[in-house]
Amino acid sequence: DAEITQSPRHKITETGRQVTLACHQTWNHNNMFWYRQDLGHGLRLIHYSYGVHDTNKGEVSDGYSVSRSNTEDLPLTLESAASSQTSVYFCASSTSGTDTQYFGPGTRLTVL
Amino acid sequence: KNEVEQSPQNLTAQEGEFITINCSYSVGISALHWLQQHPGGGIVSLFMLSSGKKKHGRLIATINIQEKHSSLHITASHPRDSAVYICAVRATGNQFYFGTGTSLTVIP
Repeated sequence: DAEITQSPRHKITETGRQVTLACHQTWNHNNMFWYRQDLGHGLRLIHYSYGVHDTNKGEVSDGYSVSRSNTEDLPLTLESAASSQTSVYFCASSTSGTDTQYFGPGTRLTVL
Repeated sequence: KNEVEQSPQNLTAQEGEFITINCSYSVGISALHWLQQHPGGGIVSLFMLSSGKKKHGRLIATINIQEKHSSLHITASHPRDSAVYICAVRATGNQFYFGTGTSLTVIP
């Protein structure tokens, strides 16, 4: 069955370190998204991609980067992790022309 | 400012009750979504609406574009409906905005 996976599911790191969160989908969806979820803010869009080599900044993109080298993967990189980036991160994907997004299980990141 | 506002923030109901969760938004939209987040954290898309009404089992979602308002109804609520329900909109500028969610607890 097609699915969307995230790894790792839990990560603890220290401030200043580079961290990469993986997102992999097997639906062949063109659109992929990264969100963070924090208490009191709900889900907020970090970056999104509408296809290979396409990336766009979302509402809270500072301190994050993504690259899309193939259809299946959109890794999220924190270049220099900060305590303010402690959060739960969700990846999602959707087909072109429809907005229904399918969410991954989430990654809980703690930056000490 | 929040582009998407939900009410109530928290809701407790007895099993069997009819439940309504409201969502108001302040931007022009191309679509509105209702999502369900389970206690374990997983998020599932329930509905996508651009007009009118949709029904799936005991769940009904409506949208009034002129009033910029949507409602999610649950008929004959059950403890397994306990979850956080999130309203999200895709704005006409292609940005997504999310409400902070409504936490529903259904008591047997």
